[in-house]
Amino acid sequence: GAVVSQHPSRVICKSGTSVKIECRSLDFQATTMFWYRQFPKQSLMLMATSNEGSKATYEQGVEKDKFLINHASLTLSTLTVTSAHPEDSSFYICSAGTGRSGYTFGSGTRLTVV
Amino acid sequence: AQTVTQSQPEMSVQEAETVTLSCTYDTSENNYYLFWYKQPPSRQMILVIRQEAYKQQNATENRFSVNFQKAAKSFSLKISDSQLGDTAMYFCAFMKITSGTYKYIFGTGTRLKVLA
Repeated sequence: GAVVSQHPSRVICKSGTSVKIECRSLDFQATTMFWYRQFPKQSLMLMATSNEGSKATYEQGVEKDKFLINHASLTLSTLTVTSAHPEDSSFYICSAGTGRSGYTFGSGTRLTVV
Repeated sequence: AQTVTQSQPEMSVQEAETVTLSCTYDTSENNYYLFWYKQPPSRQMILVIRQEAYKQQNATENRFSVNFQKAAKSFSLKISDSQLGDTAMYFCAFMKITSGTYKYIFGTGTRLKVLA
């Protein structure tokens, strides 16, 4: 089945620094990947749609300059949280797949900004 | 705009018993897809079951089945013979097409605890 790998699983960074999260489709090509944010005991909130070879599409209210998305190849999308602040601490999840059959999710990244 | 509502924040069930999780949605579209996802403590999202709106027959995957009522816009999940490993957060999801891309809209989730 489709496998999506996400790294790192946990990261702690200092306030003001940037951190990059990778999402890879291991056994299929993904022209589209999605990035979600999940606060404790809450649902997944779609942040952006990552499109290979073009700019990401951000959901309303998501700062594109804060959350940089690069989808440089058919198997890799990256999310960079720039100038991180404690309020950016959250659980970030990516997903990819073939659409109607459902998307496969990465294992998530717990970001803590101190 | 589409919305997905899960009215049961928390539920518990005895091991080997049956439990039903409710989900309702609102949409003006006729063709769409519905999903149930499970998120155990590891926080890995796992697909439980999927339903195409154009199919009248309810989807079934082993111990998991759905009751899809399109006119009522209801999509409940039934778990039979509950097991301790079923303890997790369950999310109902509506899939819509936006500019040629399929996107999920998730409900707020139901936390299910299976009791020994």
